[in-house]
Order: sequence, then C-alpha cells, then structure tokens
Amino acid sequence: AQRVTQPEKLLSVFKGAPVELKCNYSYSGSPELFWYVQYSRQRLQLLLRHISRESIKGFTADLNKGETSFHLKKPFAQEEDSAMYYCALRDNTDKLIFGTGTRLQVFP
Amino acid sequence: DGGITQSPKYLFRKEGQNVTLSCEQNLNHDAMYWYRQDPGQGLRLIYYSQIVNDFQKGDIAEGYSVSREKKESFPLTVTSAQKNPTAFYLCASSMSGYQPQHFGDGTRLSIL
Repeated sequence: AQRVTQPEKLLSVFKGAPVELKCNYSYSGSPELFWYVQYSRQRLQLLLRHISRESIKGFTADLNKGETSFHLKKPFAQEEDSAMYYCALRDNTDKLIFGTGTRLQVFP
Repeated sequence: DGGITQSPKYLFRKEGQNVTLSCEQNLNHDAMYWYRQDPGQGLRLIYYSQIVNDFQKGDIAEGYSVSREKKESFPLTVTSAQKNPTAFYLCASSMSGYQPQHFGDGTRLSIL
C-alpha cells in the first residue's frame, strides 16, 4: 500500500540547533517526493521536491531509496522555521499522498 | 495575490443541509484537487480533476460531490450524506505533467 509516514507529531528545538524531520514512504514504483510547509496564518506551500535537489531556506532533503526515506534537514534552525511540515509522495496517477505532518517549534 | 481563491473562509451548516465550497484559480492549471484536513490526520484527497468535464474520486469521496464545468472552477458540495463534515477543506491546482500543487487558503466548515 502507498503510504507516507511522519513519526513525529511535534519536534521542538532551540534556535541554532540542527533539525531533522523524518519521512518514510511505502511505494512500489519510482517515487516523487515533496516537502510542503504551512506557516502560521499562511497557506500550504511547496518547500522542496526531491528531483530539484536544491536547498530552500537552508533546508535539504535527500531521497534514500534503500531506507525509503526523505528526511528534511537544516543544520541551524531559526525561529521563523516554526511551522507545520508535510511530506508527500506523488503516485503514478498524479495524486499526492500526504503524511500526517510534523509541527516544528523553534525556541529562542 | 491571485492564484487559488477559496470561499468562504468560514462556513456553517445545519444538519441535513447540503453546502457548496467554492474554488477558483487563475493560474491556467489543468488539474484541481480537494483535500480534507483533520487534526492528526494530514491531508486526505476527496476528489480530483485533471481536465474539464472529468473528475475522479479520491480516498474519501463518500458524501461529497464535485463538478468541473470550467477550467478555472472546481466547486465541492458537502452533502447531508457526509456524516462528519466538520473539517478544514483545502483546494489545490497544478499544471498537468506532474507539476507541484498550489494550495488555496482553505475553508473551515462547521456544523451547527
């Protein structure tokens, strides 16, 4: 079955600490993975996608097919990173399958 | 800020009533989607449409209906058959060809 798992509902760190938001997936085909972010009072927006292999706002995510993971990382968290983060997988019918989300809290 | 517009922002429904949520986009996107967001459950796909006059059921389509008569519009009707309609509803759109989805601000539906 196709599934995206985000095991942490809440992740709390202090400013300047490293951050890793975990995402694991289950998919039989070749996955396309995304991270979406929702800041307070803003709409859900794309943060990054694995095929772009880019760094957005200091965040990176590497697709590890062996571990079926797509963890989101940032070496030094900032207070403005506090938000809800969703990992998503696009299947071969162009549908997005979302994880349950992880709330990141960055304390000063 | 154009893009995707959902209205209204808040909607209240009496038991047994149908209610329609609006979603309009000016991005010239072919595909449009409706999601339901519940606490602790992430986003679940209700219906999606990849082209005008065509749409498919998502994972939780029961109690909902949609239409896609125009490219820019994809209204969602929450019928009285939906037993637990209180939720936050998100509309999204994307170009065809597996492009990222863009989301609206959402509509929060509550039952009186």
